[in-house]
Amino acid sequence: GQNIDQPTEMTATEGAIVQINCTYQTSGFNGLFWYQQHAGEAPTFLSYNVLDGLEEKGRFSSFLSRSKGYSYLLLKELQMKDSASYLCARANTGRRALTFGSGTRLQVQP
Amino acid sequence: NAGVTQTPKFRILKIGQSMTLQCTQDMNHNYMYWYRQDPGMGLKLIYYSVGAGITDKGEVPNGYNVSRSTTEDFPLRLELAAPSQTSVYFCAISSVGTGELFFGEGSRLTVL
Repeated sequence: GQNIDQPTEMTATEGAIVQINCTYQTSGFNGLFWYQQHAGEAPTFLSYNVLDGLEEKGRFSSFLSRSKGYSYLLLKELQMKDSASYLCARANTGRRALTFGSGTRLQVQP
Repeated sequence: NAGVTQTPKFRILKIGQSMTLQCTQDMNHNYMYWYRQDPGMGLKLIYYSVGAGITDKGEVPNGYNVSRSTTEDFPLRLELAAPSQTSVYFCAISSVGTGELFFGEGSRLTVL
């Protein structure tokens, strides 16, 4: 299977740091994506990891450990506009389509 | 350059009716996908296509059909609509490289 697990909801304070975890089954794994989705809108691409380690892109960073089947998305200096759902998705060997987790709904409070 | 265009954006169907969701891209990508997203859930793959004339089933294909006669268009057909098909439908395309998906704005379908 390709089960992807991530927390359903998280709450954080404006200006703080939050880490959203994602675990997946390692069989057939070929890369890990993070998408942001605001309510009523389409998902938009945030990051892609295929090798172990940390990828930094402004206030957002994403980490991958292939051997552990684990990734996280780190959001720094949280802003109210970061309130959204964050979707973890895996790429699979031999198949182009991504498999998505159920998403983590992040609420940023003042 | 509009990217991925979906129509209609909203639709209400009665049980048993049929309809087609349209998806058109102007980025000349070979790979196209249809996902559905139920409230508070992630995206589930319905069908995908790796090029004109080639389609394949995803995780949840029952009750749907697709065709891909051109690179640009990938319509999704619902036959005999059921309440379980109430969802938001996203069409997406991907490039040759990483497989990153670019999504259309979505089509919100309600079956009553």
